[in-house]
Amino acid sequence: AQSVAQPEDQVNVAEGNPLTVKCTYSVSGNPYLFWYVQYPNRGLQFLLKYITGDNLVKGSYGFEAEFNKSQTSFHLKKPSALVSDSALYFCAVRAYDRGSTLGRLYFGRGTQLTVWP
Amino acid sequence: EAQVTQNPRYLITVTGKKLTVTCSQNMNHEYMSWYRQDPGLGLRQIYYSMNVEVTDKGDVPEGYKVSRKEKRNFPLILESPSPNQTSLYFCASSSLAGGGETQYFGPGTRLLVL
Repeated sequence: AQSVAQPEDQVNVAEGNPLTVKCTYSVSGNPYLFWYVQYPNRGLQFLLKYITGDNLVKGSYGFEAEFNKSQTSFHLKKPSALVSDSALYFCAVRAYDRGSTLGRLYFGRGTQLTVWP
Repeated sequence: EAQVTQNPRYLITVTGKKLTVTCSQNMNHEYMSWYRQDPGLGLRQIYYSMNVEVTDKGDVPEGYKVSRKEKRNFPLILESPSPNQTSLYFCASSSLAGGGETQYFGPGTRLLVL
């Protein structure tokens, strides 16, 4: 079965400090990994994705994520947090099952990031 | 502009009164999906569709129906809404070219069932 875990419901950091939002996954086969962000009263916006190749993926707004196959992790990072980064972050994985689950995305429960000024 | 649109954005209704939430995408995507978002539970998939006339259940399909008569539209139907269907609903779409395609989300529909 495919699944995604985000072990922290909340992450609090001070502005200017580095931030990490954790994600681990479980899939059969090669994973396609995604991060989405949700600002208050908005839909989900795509941040970045890992398909293949370099394990460090760069995305929008200065975010990056590192794919670690041995640890089955895909943590989201940013070297210097901004107050405007405060939002709800979702990790997601897509893997191809046999049968009808082709193309499905499986989401974690989300991590609320708060950046304090 | 590439987008997924949903209507209505906000809806208050009463138990048992049938309602439909529309979803439309202009990107010619094969794959469309409905999710509900509840605090502490993240996004849970209700139904999805691989193409016209091809739909399948997600994780929480009870109480919902969908149809896919046209590629661009994927309405969500609640035949007899109940208070436990009060939630924030998102429609999403993506292509199916190779697995790494980004899923695009609509702005959400906030539903309150009294």
